[in-house]
Amino acid sequence: GAVVSQHPSWVICKSGTSVKIECRSLDFQATTMFWYRQFPKQSLMLMATSNEGSKATYEQGVEKDKFLINHASLTLSTLTVTSAHPEDSSFYICSARDPAAGSYNEQFFGPGTRLTVL
Amino acid sequence: DAKTTQPPSMDCAEGRAANLPCNHSTISGNEYVYWYRQIHSQGPQYIIHGLKNNETNEMASLIITEDRKSSTLILPHATLRDTAVYYCIVRAINNAGNMLTFGGGTRLMVKP
Repeated sequence: GAVVSQHPSWVICKSGTSVKIECRSLDFQATTMFWYRQFPKQSLMLMATSNEGSKATYEQGVEKDKFLINHASLTLSTLTVTSAHPEDSSFYICSARDPAAGSYNEQFFGPGTRLTVL
Repeated sequence: DAKTTQPPSMDCAEGRAANLPCNHSTISGNEYVYWYRQIHSQGPQYIIHGLKNNETNEMASLIITEDRKSSTLILPHATLRDTAVYYCIVRAINNAGNMLTFGGGTRLMVKP
């Protein structure tokens, strides 16, 4: 199946700093990518839908000014956590859909990025 | 998208078949049943999906009841590496955003 990568796989930062997480589709072009957040022992929660060349669509309760999403190319979407605080510590996962595979195809998920804010 | 109900946890002996149930009694005619799994500290992995016919691939089999209100994911010969959280998701065909809504899933523990 298609491969989605994330970088970094883990990051530790100080409170108040910004952290950028990259999501790449390695062997296909993804017009749409999704960003999820997962707290310990909880399920994945969709944060936003990232569309190439346009503004991201954020889920209710997700601050767009805090979680900046940029989808500048068909293979790369970035999530920047601005002014991170300890409560932002979580597992961030992206996924991408391969439009060439049809409307009903599965989404491909990245391996996740574990963010720890001290 | 229709809501799904899964048991929070299940155990299975290594080498035996693991049968994971999912209830989706409010499923609509245009909604598919998808199964993903998430091994600890990894991203979810697609397993299988189906509409109304039973499906099989190299990973698992999906059995959907005739009324489509429930389904069962079958791992025919579970191994220790199949220990994971298994998510059953129902998604409409015309879901333009193609987003997936994850429920609580079933934590499958395969034991030696």
